[in-house]
Amino acid sequence: DTGVSQNPRHKITKRGQNVTFRCDPISEHNRLYWYRQTLGQGPEFLTYFQNEAQLEKSRLLSDRFSAERPKGSFSTLEIQRTEQGDSAMYLCASGRENQPQHFGDGTRLSIL
Amino acid sequence: QKEVEQNSGPLSVPEGAIASLNCTYSDRGSQSFFWYRQYSGKSPELIMFIYSNGDKEDGRFTAQLNKASQYVSLLIRDSQPSDSATYLCARQAGGTSYGKLTFGQGTILTVHP
Repeated sequence: DTGVSQNPRHKITKRGQNVTFRCDPISEHNRLYWYRQTLGQGPEFLTYFQNEAQLEKSRLLSDRFSAERPKGSFSTLEIQRTEQGDSAMYLCASGRENQPQHFGDGTRLSIL
Repeated sequence: QKEVEQNSGPLSVPEGAIASLNCTYSDRGSQSFFWYRQYSGKSPELIMFIYSNGDKEDGRFTAQLNKASQYVSLLIRDSQPSDSATYLCARQAGGTSYGKLTFGQGTILTVHP
């Protein structure tokens, strides 16, 4: 499978716990994006990497959120001290300049 | 005003009809536009993208872009029940935006037999 891969597919955790998601982009894509989608809404941009550099972060990304792409390949998104409002689908997309982005299957986070 | 707005749904059309989905945007700096289809519980799937004014056709799908009026639309001809999904319109700005997408809220399409 050469598409964007995200793990885990589902994550259920208690409020206050930390969670980490992983995204493996399409191998030749140097751009990687994280989005968050809640029910009935379109995805909202969270952050962007070009190779290993994090070049933009949305104001939606509070200091409880951190993302890395250490070797310019896979990326992780960590949420510390989760809150009820963090429940959402977290989507990863990859692409190249002047080419459309392709999305992974997402990680659905549920906070109990 | 939202950056990207889609026509309110849900939209219901009979099988074989043309479904018309519309989207307006506020930022004249927007350069590229994308239509994604999203089935319930699944991730967005790219259908079409358009950069230039006019029409772009791909099979049963036609995307239309009018930069002067700041709208983009998607026509689905010979609609099938399998086309039933949420359709997301997104715009991508140029310059230093790094290609991030700004999405509309989506329009739910139902094609009934």
